Amino acid sequence: DIVMTQSPDSLAVSLGERATINCKSSQNVLKTSDNKNYLAWYRQKPGQPPSLLIYWASTRESGVPDRFSGSGSGTDFTLTISSLQAEDVAVYYCQQYYTTPYSFGQGTKLDIK
Amino acid sequence: EVQLVQSGAEVKTPGESLKISCKGSGYSFTNYWIGWVRQMPGKGLEWMGIIYPGHSETKYSPSFQGQVTISVDKSISTAYLQWSSLKASDTAIYYCARQMRDSSSGYITHFDPWGQGTLVTVSS
Repeated sequence: DIVMTQSPDSLAVSLGERATINCKSSQNVLKTSDNKNYLAWYRQKPGQPPSLLIYWASTRESGVPDRFSGSGSGTDFTLTISSLQAEDVAVYYCQQYYTTPYSFGQGTKLDIK
Repeated sequence: EVQLVQSGAEVKTPGESLKISCKGSGYSFTNYWIGWVRQMPGKGLEWMGIIYPGHSETKYSPSFQGQVTISVDKSISTAYLQWSSLKASDTAIYYCARQMRDSSSGYITHFDPWGQGTLVTVSS
């Protein structure tokens, strides 16, 4: 099974500042047949189900603000929020869909400093 | 609008059976995998398994194989997650989600959208 490890477990960032969350997979999730990274990012606001932010490691879902961006390839990935807003307080998860079981990272809790 | 609507919260005692549901609407239900994800109290997301409503093929996480059963009734666009004998450790929120498919390769991809979640509480 692929193990997804996020860092840090939690972080606090001032409003308007940059937040960076890392995700590392225990195996490569770049599929050579289509040159795509099989990785997604989700946001889970308090008391709500998760919602999709980013797929293919860097493709922003429709309607997601452009302050959210994803980068990385192979085994190392990053979610960046360029200018933190109050509504971004949430837990963020990465997930690989390269092979079953389609495992999630343990989550990163983002708060306002 | 694509929607997944889950059944309501359940309170059960250990040893009881349970079947929760997830009804899809706004899209072709038989053409997309549906997955189930567990979230234990205060914890992260765990991928349990998926089912393809078109022909009922299932894929389970080894952690959940034999512990739960995923099924579907495509005539009513509904997927199910069931237990034959609940344990206190099954207490969690269970989410269903549509698993997308890449249009060119056909490979399974990300979850979108998610259901609202079903809280299952197992307590004596």
